[in-house]
Amino acid sequence: NAGVTQTPKFQVLKTGQSMTLQCAQDMNHEYMSWYRQDPGMGLRLIHYSVGAGITDQGEVPNGYNVSRSTTEDFPLRLLSAAPSQTSVYFCASSTDSGYGYTFGSGTRLTVV
Amino acid sequence: GEDVEQSLFLSVREGDSSVINCTYTDSSSTYLYWYKQEPGAGLQLLTYIFSNMDMKQDQRLTVLLNKKDKHLSLRIADTQTGDSAIYFCAEVSGGGADGLTFGKGTHLIIQP
Repeated sequence: NAGVTQTPKFQVLKTGQSMTLQCAQDMNHEYMSWYRQDPGMGLRLIHYSVGAGITDQGEVPNGYNVSRSTTEDFPLRLLSAAPSQTSVYFCASSTDSGYGYTFGSGTRLTVV
Repeated sequence: GEDVEQSLFLSVREGDSSVINCTYTDSSSTYLYWYKQEPGAGLQLLTYIFSNMDMKQDQRLTVLLNKKDKHLSLRIADTQTGDSAIYFCAEVSGGGADGLTFGKGTHLIIQP
């Protein structure tokens, strides 16, 4: 049972580059979400999805796009990376009752 | 909007009990969680409590919920050096579709 798998674990980007952070879960969870963690800020919600084909914005969505074409996958896209997007990114999934959010191990992104 | 508050640091002696406190503002919270994060690692779900419960005990962990005051606490009995970590309080409201709202985390420091 892999749970929530995030790739890559580490990434360095140059300002203006684009990339996709991958997130996959094998628990058949309906809910998936992306968070970023910055020192002293806790975790903040970027985007979330309640099922395939349905996404919505969280607290800090600017600069990020998401899509949910399957139940299993929820990629996060940075279209034009900025230094302010240097952070640790976590993906999570949950059943459709909101119980038991499971987190991936995170992606540490540095934008130079 | 929703808000979750925690103190940033707690220092305890090894063997003593640690009590980490959290306050939240969303009166429609359904689940409240405690996550543990060790340095450089992801988030580990420690325990949770449903909003219609007052207390939950799980081995060395005791969660107390005062719904009237919107106050949640986590007590760790017989604190060990392995308990040194950041502890995040988080809440889910409604059906949990729109993700978790986190506090900024409490750094638990263990003194020998």
